[in-house]
Amino acid sequence: GESVGLHLPTLSVQEGDNSIINCAYSNSASDYFIWYKQESGKGPQFIIDIRSNMDKRQGQRVTVLLNKTVKHLSLQIAATQPGDSAVYFCAESSNDYKLSFGAGTTVTVRA
Amino acid sequence: DAMVIQNPRYQVTQFGKPVTLSCSQTLNHNVMYWYQQKSSQAPKLLFHYYDKDFNNEADTPDNFQSRRPNTSFCFLDIRSPGLGDAAMYLCATSRGGTPSYNEQFFGPGTRLTVL
Repeated sequence: GESVGLHLPTLSVQEGDNSIINCAYSNSASDYFIWYKQESGKGPQFIIDIRSNMDKRQGQRVTVLLNKTVKHLSLQIAATQPGDSAVYFCAESSNDYKLSFGAGTTVTVRA
Repeated sequence: DAMVIQNPRYQVTQFGKPVTLSCSQTLNHNVMYWYQQKSSQAPKLLFHYYDKDFNNEADTPDNFQSRRPNTSFCFLDIRSPGLGDAAMYLCATSRGGTPSYNEQFFGPGTRLTVL
């Protein structure tokens, strides 16, 4: 079946730098996208979401960009902090109350 | 605070011995989900309830069952755990309704070990 995937399994970033995490999706019917952060031993935590009628959405230190033409989603984290170290999952939904998760990117913040 | 609660946080069982994992929510959400997550992998949906309507994923083994006796509680029963069932089990909820896409709220998970 169609699924959501991430481009890179790991990302190492210097503290204070900006991070960009990428995600490609293949289901053209997807109309809702969401980013989760999962710390070790914990459940996924909501970061930000975006609907298909938008190209960009900003939160506190985070921005999600959606390019429907190339089916690409990205999460930008400004001024990355040690507490941002975690696994990040993108997920998509196509009007069925379910989320399909990508493989995840492990972000490590270097001091 | 409204939340999703999972008990126990850690569960150890023996090969073949039935085990039940519990989830409760104070969000009054219509939809409750159970996911299995193995190390370094994405959560995999096992099934979900929309109110009392049960929705099983096609590839969920029969060994996994679920019950939702009321809005607040949902249980995951593993009838005969195998070594391959050792994983983190995540419960999640969502509001449901219209539109059908909305945020899922996750509990902290139950780490299952099978000996």
